[in-house]
Amino acid sequence: AQSVTQLGSHVSVSEGALVLLRCNYSSSVPPYLFWYVQYPNQGLQLLLKYTTGATLVKGINGFEAEFKKSETSFHLTKPSAHMSDAAEYFCAVAYSGNTPLVFGKGTRLSVIA
Amino acid sequence: ETGVTQSPTHLIKTRGQQVTLRCSSQSGHNTVSWYQQALGQGPQFIFQYYREEENGRGNFPPRFSGLQFPNYSSELNVNALELDDSALYLCASSPFVAGGLDEQFFGPGTRLTVL
Repeated sequence: AQSVTQLGSHVSVSEGALVLLRCNYSSSVPPYLFWYVQYPNQGLQLLLKYTTGATLVKGINGFEAEFKKSETSFHLTKPSAHMSDAAEYFCAVAYSGNTPLVFGKGTRLSVIA
Repeated sequence: ETGVTQSPTHLIKTRGQQVTLRCSSQSGHNTVSWYQQALGQGPQFIFQYYREEENGRGNFPPRFSGLQFPNYSSELNVNALELDDSALYLCASSPFVAGGLDEQFFGPGTRLTVL
């Protein structure tokens, strides 16, 4: 069965510092990979996704993620954190285009002024 | 283009009661998926509806049931509520793309509290 592991339930960074949120997945086939962001009392917003092709994926709000098949990882990064980035971030995987998403437990990002 | 909407926003029920949550899918989307997000957890897949038929189900008991209507809106029904059913319930709609990726668009969720 597919699973997603997000290392660190809570990450705290200073404003302007690098953001690195880690995600590892288990899948016997090349998966579709996603990062979602959730602000308090809101639903999920798609940040970026990997389907096929280029392994470095750029998303909204300056975020990007790199698919590394050999490491089964899809870590999320942003060069410079902004206060507005404080939120819950979820990594998700799908076997194929029509299968449900399997989510990690989430990482709460705090940004310190 | 109207996004995914859910109603109600918040709901409080007591143990043993029944609840119905509603979701209107995004224009042009014929597939609706429901997820349960317990506090401090990631969303878990409940079931999916495609063209008014259940098209996959997660590890949830039969007291979780659903419907999809001809306009592709959907309902999630939960019978015999338990305290552990307290969660944020998320609805996601997508266009079914055969052989491709169905990107799911999420609604804001319904926060259910069971006392």
